[in-house]
Amino acid sequence: NAGVTQTPKFQVLKTGQSMTLQCAQDMNHNSMYWYRQDPGMGLRLIYYSASEGTTDKGEVPNGYNVSRLNKREFSLRLESAAPSQTSVYFCASSEGGRDRVFFGPGTRLTVL
Amino acid sequence: EDKVVQSPLSLVVHEGDTVTLNCSYEVTNFRSLLWYKQEKKAPTFLFMLTSSGIEKKSGRLSSILDKKELFSILNITATQTGDSAVYLCAVYAGNNRKLIWGLGTSLAVNP
Repeated sequence: NAGVTQTPKFQVLKTGQSMTLQCAQDMNHNSMYWYRQDPGMGLRLIYYSASEGTTDKGEVPNGYNVSRLNKREFSLRLESAAPSQTSVYFCASSEGGRDRVFFGPGTRLTVL
Repeated sequence: EDKVVQSPLSLVVHEGDTVTLNCSYEVTNFRSLLWYKQEKKAPTFLFMLTSSGIEKKSGRLSSILDKKELFSILNITATQTGDSAVYLCAVYAGNNRKLIWGLGTSLAVNP
């Protein structure tokens, strides 16, 4: 079991460039999440997907889009990157709405 | 508004000390509370608590939930330098089962 995998691990973008962060889980979990983590701000939810075919906005969705491609995969897209999106991004998954959350290793993104 | 507050924000102790980290919450329709440890990477799961008064224990770490007073504590006894990390608390709440995170307690254990 690989758990939750994310690619890439590191990325540097210029302002205005686009990119997609990929996430996959092999635990047959229903729920998947995208978080960003910034110093002093804690973990903030960008988008989540409670089940295949559904997605919902979290606390900080502006500037991002997501796709729940199937039960395993949940991708996060930055259409036009901005320096304010410099952060560490974590994908996570859980079985349901009260269970432990498993995190991917994270993506460190820098937008210049 | 649902919130989870952790205290203290940071803590410095010496090896061998015992520490108590606090997590208080104000949420609608509480479902469960989770503790995580985060070193310089992704958070790793420690405990999940759903019932009041039942202690969860793993080695030198233990945690308990008080649903009446709306808080949980995480105890670490005989601390080691490897316990240095940020400890995160999160609460599942509401009908949409939203997970609300605290800002964490940064623990530094000095030799």
